[in-house]
Amino acid sequence: DVKVTQSSRYLVKRTGEKVFLECVQDMDHENMFWYRQDPGLGLRLIYFSYDVKMKEKGDIPEGYSVSREKKERFSLILESASTNQTSMYLCASTKRGQPQHFGDGTRLSIL
Amino acid sequence: QKEVEQDPGPLSVPEGAIVSLNCTYSNSAFQYFMWYRQYSRKGPELLMYTYSSGNKEDGRFTAQVDKSSKYISLFIRDSQPSDSATYLCAMRNAGGTSYGKLTFGQGTILTVHP
Repeated sequence: DVKVTQSSRYLVKRTGEKVFLECVQDMDHENMFWYRQDPGLGLRLIYFSYDVKMKEKGDIPEGYSVSREKKERFSLILESASTNQTSMYLCASTKRGQPQHFGDGTRLSIL
Repeated sequence: QKEVEQDPGPLSVPEGAIVSLNCTYSNSAFQYFMWYRQYSRKGPELLMYTYSSGNKEDGRFTAQVDKSSKYISLFIRDSQPSDSATYLCAMRNAGGTSYGKLTFGQGTILTVHP
């Protein structure tokens, strides 16, 4: 069974803080993704990575960066958190030709 | 216009009903089609994964793809209260450079009441 683990289920941070969201997968998947999910807007792709140290912008990368130093770990970084980044963040991974598998999400509140 | 359109509902049905969930899309390059189920405060879990046109059945669930009409459906037979969730359709290209990127529908909220 594929396991995608997000380090925190709930997180509360203050505006201006640098925030790190961590995601680990245990299936040796090449591709990893970060989404945010908001009511009425669905899932929107922030960044994805297709190999170690490789990354590409998704549809809404502004205000975010990512890091992939090891194949199993993909980090999302909010450089200076703002209230409009309050959201549910979902990590997913996939092997080439296979569907994506998701973690349980991190519900992030920025106060 | 969005690439994938999905009626957000909400949809409320009695237990035992047949549920039909649908998505339309505009990108003819989409080749792989998925349905995910998402319970409240959880991540999406894969329900069905199909390639190109046709039907696929798994227990009470049937996924249908009509590429000529750019229309996909998920049918749930004998619906149960435990089927109450948000259902997301998703699709992607076949090309290698897509890296498995998905385009999602907005999701349909389904409630099955006893």
